[in-house]
Amino acid sequence: QKEVEQNSGPLSVPEGAIASLNCTYSDRGSQSFFWYRQYSGKSPELIMFIYSNGDKEDGRFTAQLNKASQYVSLLIRDSQPSDSATYLCAVSWTGNQFYFGTGTSLTVIP
Amino acid sequence: EPEVTQTPSHQVTQMGQEVILRCVPISNHLYFYWYRQILGQKVEFLVSFYNNEISEKSEIFDDQFSVERPDGSNFTLKIRSTKLEDSAMYFCASKIGLGGEGYTFGSGTRLTVV
Repeated sequence: QKEVEQNSGPLSVPEGAIASLNCTYSDRGSQSFFWYRQYSGKSPELIMFIYSNGDKEDGRFTAQLNKASQYVSLLIRDSQPSDSATYLCAVSWTGNQFYFGTGTSLTVIP
Repeated sequence: EPEVTQTPSHQVTQMGQEVILRCVPISNHLYFYWYRQILGQKVEFLVSFYNNEISEKSEIFDDQFSVERPDGSNFTLKIRSTKLEDSAMYFCASKIGLGGEGYTFGSGTRLTVV
């Protein structure tokens, strides 16, 4: 069974702080890892993808992957109220079907 | 920026009725998907479609479900006889290939079965 686990939160951080979101997955054969942002009632929006161990930075966002620990994280620097959303971790073994976690709800407090 | 377009945005149907959800994927994308999200739950894979045939499907995608790409642009999901538990947000997605890039999701169709 391919499982993707996330803390559901809610996670609250003050504006300007770093938000840290975590995800673990069950299958070591996983190839690709994704972070999506989902506002309430809206569709998931791709933030970043990563498939090599280490860090990948894109603006205020950094994805970190550790395949040995089966762990992927997302750091959001200088958090803004507009970052308040649910963040979905998704994992793919084949590049075709994605397995999503339940998401972590983030609130950035002004 | 190219978009995946879904219609309708909201559909209410009676139990037992057939519904067709429509999607227009991004024009140069080759892989097409349907996912659903029951309120408060995770996004779940239903089916993937490539080269005019289903490439993968989940246990959710039983005989009540079918997909079709009737022309060069539309991609449809049909539910033959809707059940109350089919009430969910249905997302269409597309991607250009099987590389590491993620999907682009459509805005979704909220299906309510009464």
